Amino acid sequence: EPEVTQTPSHQVTQMGQEVILRCVPISNHLYFYWYRQILGQKVEFLVSFYNNEISEKSEIFDDQFSVERPDGSNFTLKIRSTKLEDSAMYFCASELAGGKGDTQYFGPGTRLTVL
Amino acid sequence: AQSVTQLGSHVSVSEGALVLLRCNYSSSVPPYLFWYVQYPNQGLQLLLKYTTGATLVKGINGFEAEFKKSETSFHLTKPSAHMSDAAEYFCAVSGGGTSYGKLTFGQGTILTVHP
Repeated sequence: EPEVTQTPSHQVTQMGQEVILRCVPISNHLYFYWYRQILGQKVEFLVSFYNNEISEKSEIFDDQFSVERPDGSNFTLKIRSTKLEDSAMYFCASELAGGKGDTQYFGPGTRLTVL
Repeated sequence: AQSVTQLGSHVSVSEGALVLLRCNYSSSVPPYLFWYVQYPNQGLQLLLKYTTGATLVKGINGFEAEFKKSETSFHLTKPSAHMSDAAEYFCAVSGGGTSYGKLTFGQGTILTVHP
């Protein structure tokens, strides 16, 4: 069964460093998402992406964050200058048709630790 | 804006007992409602969803949920708990307008199953 994959599973970085989290969505899906979950808190929406542009972003998704689909298969989340409060589990999800109750398929997550 | 409240961050049941995980939502538009399950070190997996039509929805692993518009609820049940049901469960809502795909999650309920 097709699945969403994410790399790395765990990333440790120093505050102020740039990190890139990678996701490979299910191949025929068209809509892509990033969510994050700070330890002990809710899963929070960050951004949605369709047709090579951002569809919607949350207030968390400020200028330090960016997303890209560089090669038609990968979907990346970049954090330019990490802060301690960026430490969280980051989940990528993909969806075939977008909205209307369609199912989002989640990857296993990347645990980001900022020191 | 949409929101989800899950009553009870931890629920403990005996094997073979009824499982009831509570979810209430707030939405200004007809909602699409989801239950996801997360096993340790894995991503979120869809259990079931309500989009339109029949309000009693059956999902995987014997779980079901009933959409009650008058009570703004979407509680998850399973008649007989199994040890393998131990996991964290998330209720989520999405809806129309400009936020078709964005999922808004509850805070999660950790289900423990005792022998």
